[in-house]
Amino acid sequence: EPEVTQTPSHQVTQMGQEVILRCVPISNHLYFYWYRQILGQKVEFLVSFYNNEISEKSEIFDDQFSVERPDGSNFTLKIRSTKLEDSAMYFCASSESSEGWETQYFGPGTRLLVL
Amino acid sequence: AQSVAQPEDQVNVAEGNPLTVKCTYSVSGNPYLFWYVQYPNRGLQFLLKYITGDNLVKGSYGFEAEFNKSQTSFHLKKPSALVSDSALYFCAVRDGDNAGKSTFGDGTTLTVKP
Repeated sequence: EPEVTQTPSHQVTQMGQEVILRCVPISNHLYFYWYRQILGQKVEFLVSFYNNEISEKSEIFDDQFSVERPDGSNFTLKIRSTKLEDSAMYFCASSESSEGWETQYFGPGTRLLVL
Repeated sequence: AQSVAQPEDQVNVAEGNPLTVKCTYSVSGNPYLFWYVQYPNRGLQFLLKYITGDNLVKGSYGFEAEFNKSQTSFHLKKPSALVSDSALYFCAVRDGDNAGKSTFGDGTTLTVKP
């Protein structure tokens, strides 16, 4: 069964450093998402992406964050200057369409720790 | 705006007993409702969803959920719990009139004891 993959599984970085989290969505999916889950808290929406553009973003997704689809398979989340509070599990998701009934399939996540 | 409430942080049941994990939602348009399960140090696995039609939805691993429009609820159920069902369960909603992001509840930790 096709699945969303994410790399790395864990990342430790120093505050102020840039990180890039990578995702390979399911191949026939057109809509991509990033969510995050701070330890012990709920899963929060960050951004959705379609046709090389951001479709929607939350208030969490400030100027320190950016997303990109650099080629036909990868979808990346960049945090320019990490803060301690960016420590979280970051989930990538993809779906065939943006229709509300469409299932979003999630990757295994990248656990980011900012020191 | 859309929101999801999972009123119980923790649900404990004995193996073999039925289980219910509660979820209520609020959405301005048509609700599309989802349940995901998260095992320790793992991602979110899709269990089931309600789109339209029959209010009782069946999903993976013997789980089912009942959509109740008047009570704006979508409770997750299983007739006979297994120890391996122990995990964190998230309810999520998408607005059919403004599709895009999923909004998740806080999660409910299910513990099934032998």
